[in-house]
Amino acid sequence: GENVEQHPSTLSVQEGDSAVIKCTYSDSASNYFPWYKQELGKRPQLIIDIRSNVGEKKDQRIAVTLNKTAKHFSLHITETQPEDSAVYFCAASNRAGGTSYGKLTFGQGTILTVHP
Amino acid sequence: DTEVTQTPKHLVMGMTNKKSLKCEQHMGHRAMYWYKQKAKKPPELMFVYSYEKLSINESVPSRFSPECPNSSLLNLHLHALQPEDSALYLCASSVGRDRKLFFGSGTQLSVL
Repeated sequence: GENVEQHPSTLSVQEGDSAVIKCTYSDSASNYFPWYKQELGKRPQLIIDIRSNVGEKKDQRIAVTLNKTAKHFSLHITETQPEDSAVYFCAASNRAGGTSYGKLTFGQGTILTVHP
Repeated sequence: DTEVTQTPKHLVMGMTNKKSLKCEQHMGHRAMYWYKQKAKKPPELMFVYSYEKLSINESVPSRFSPECPNSSLLNLHLHALQPEDSALYLCASSVGRDRKLFFGSGTQLSVL
């Protein structure tokens, strides 16, 4: 099955700095890669996702890059703010032929702390 | 309505109790999921329903029993749980082919 590794497990930055979180996956058939942000006591929220037919996607201060050859993808947050502090999870999914649902494999998470 | 609604938000139960968790979505999503999450760990998939049929059971103990009464509702029946079952239980839904998961706010379960 799919295995997703995520690094670092904790990341501490100063407000205004950039933050980068990296994930690698094992199944070359995986073709959908979402990132979730989870604040303490709240639900995971999808913040950005990328499919295997593109190499990069950006949404304001957040960007995701995908290297299919190396089987890794990264989350980049620029101009970090204290409200970016949360646990971030990457995930990978391969929609097996014919299924009408997605089975995500999550990374172990990164605790991001942005200091004012 | 773009939300997945879960009730109750908090639940405390003894090991001999029977309780149920409820999940509802009105986005027309045909896939619904139950996940279990321990603090600061990733969500772990328990069950997937697709078009109201159980499609995945990730070898979950029988003390957890899912039910999908219709395309908008998903229940998780709990019986004879153990303290180690204490966790946040998340419901999620997705359109299907588009694998974007929309999570509910979860039920924080404590088993005493």
